[in-house]
Amino acid sequence: NAGVTQTPKFQVLKTGQSMTLQCAQDMNHNSMYWYRQDPGMGLRLIYYSASEGTTDKGEVPNGYNVSRLNKREFSLRLESAAPSQTSVYFCASSDSPLRYGYTFGSGTRLTVV
Amino acid sequence: GQQLNQSPQSMFIQEGEDVSMNCTSSSIFNTWLWYKQDPGEGPVLLIALYKAGELTSNGRLTAQFGITRKDSFLNISASIPSDVGIYFCAGRGDSNYQLIWGAGTKLIIKP
Repeated sequence: NAGVTQTPKFQVLKTGQSMTLQCAQDMNHNSMYWYRQDPGMGLRLIYYSASEGTTDKGEVPNGYNVSRLNKREFSLRLESAAPSQTSVYFCASSDSPLRYGYTFGSGTRLTVV
Repeated sequence: GQQLNQSPQSMFIQEGEDVSMNCTSSSIFNTWLWYKQDPGEGPVLLIALYKAGELTSNGRLTAQFGITRKDSFLNISASIPSDVGIYFCAGRGDSNYQLIWGAGTKLIIKP
């Protein structure tokens, strides 16, 4: 099925460890996004990439880095995980977010202990 | 960061009941979007609204773009078990390029 694929689905990290969340889309969308979702907070934008080769900070970028590897792939890296980064992370893609909305992946549930 | 005020936070309803929820903003928006998130999945777009006063339906769901451009409403008629989940509003105004999201309304069907 066409869509957005995120890996892994679940991850437990120790404080200070690093990891990369992977995201790939097969809809030929130009824009890709990383969000985090916390209880009672809705979705908060971490980073986005409006097109291949560009990335920009969102609302909560501290502690994260991203790479737009090519048009299909957009990865999120935590260099030194902290308990405050315990969250559910969603990758999304779109060509026209205001008209067609985003297509979201199924999420990565990350726990930092 | 800026957020929309979405209410109620959660709703316990009987199957067959009608449901209403809303979002309000302190600033004017020119686009309102309503999403639904099923457990363990990402949000899925339900309805998009682009003009003040616009009323749009998607099956049993109806959403309205408030006249003041600072609010939006979502109604679900004759709720069924598969309506359970979290409903999010999201909006965009002239001053924000990216979408701003509400905190969600969790819909629970009473057994």
